[in-house]
Amino acid sequence: ILNVEQSPQSLHVQEGDSTNFTCSFPSSNFYALHWYRWETAKSPEALFVMTLNGDEKKKGRISATLNTKEGYSYLYIKGSQPEDSATYLCAFIRREYGNKLVFGAGTILRVKS
Amino acid sequence: NAGVTQTPKFQVLKTGQSMTLQCAQDMNHNSMYWYRQDPGMGLRLIYYSASEGTTDKGEVPNGYNVSRLNKREFSLRLESAAPSQTSVYFCASSPGTGGWGNQPQHFGDGTRLSIL
Repeated sequence: ILNVEQSPQSLHVQEGDSTNFTCSFPSSNFYALHWYRWETAKSPEALFVMTLNGDEKKKGRISATLNTKEGYSYLYIKGSQPEDSATYLCAFIRREYGNKLVFGAGTILRVKS
Repeated sequence: NAGVTQTPKFQVLKTGQSMTLQCAQDMNHNSMYWYRQDPGMGLRLIYYSASEGTTDKGEVPNGYNVSRLNKREFSLRLESAAPSQTSVYFCASSPGTGGWGNQPQHFGDGTRLSIL
């Protein structure tokens, strides 16, 4: 099973700070990269699905970029708010694995007001 | 809009007991999945069903069986529970069949299972 690495493991920021974290994955036979947001006591919720090298997606204050050649994706949060506190998961699929996601361990974000 | 519904939400079992975790989705999705989540680790795929009538092993299938009862329902069975199976179990679904990894998965709220 191929590893997906997420860094940092956890992050504490002040309200209003902008932040970013990294997802690294094997670059060969890339098919898709997913980002999910997982709040405590809730279920993971999809943020983005990215498939093309150079892809950039945005949802409100959250955006993500994708580099399939070097095997990484960045998730950015602009002007963090306490409600952004959650675990952010990335997951990747290689071509021969169909719809099967391989998840990273996540980055835990805590935003202090 | 129920989405993905898992039952039960919590369960405590003794070693050697059996039980079935239930999952149902009302989004007419083709693919369904079972994951387990352990501290410090990502979600790990146990079994998946790319379409009604098919099931396949994921990363950690040992000790589990599944049934895709119909398009809506996908159950996970522990035949003889072991303490190593203490975990939080998530069911998920997605619209496409195998090869449609460009569509997001929708998750249930999880089942917290403790095996003593």
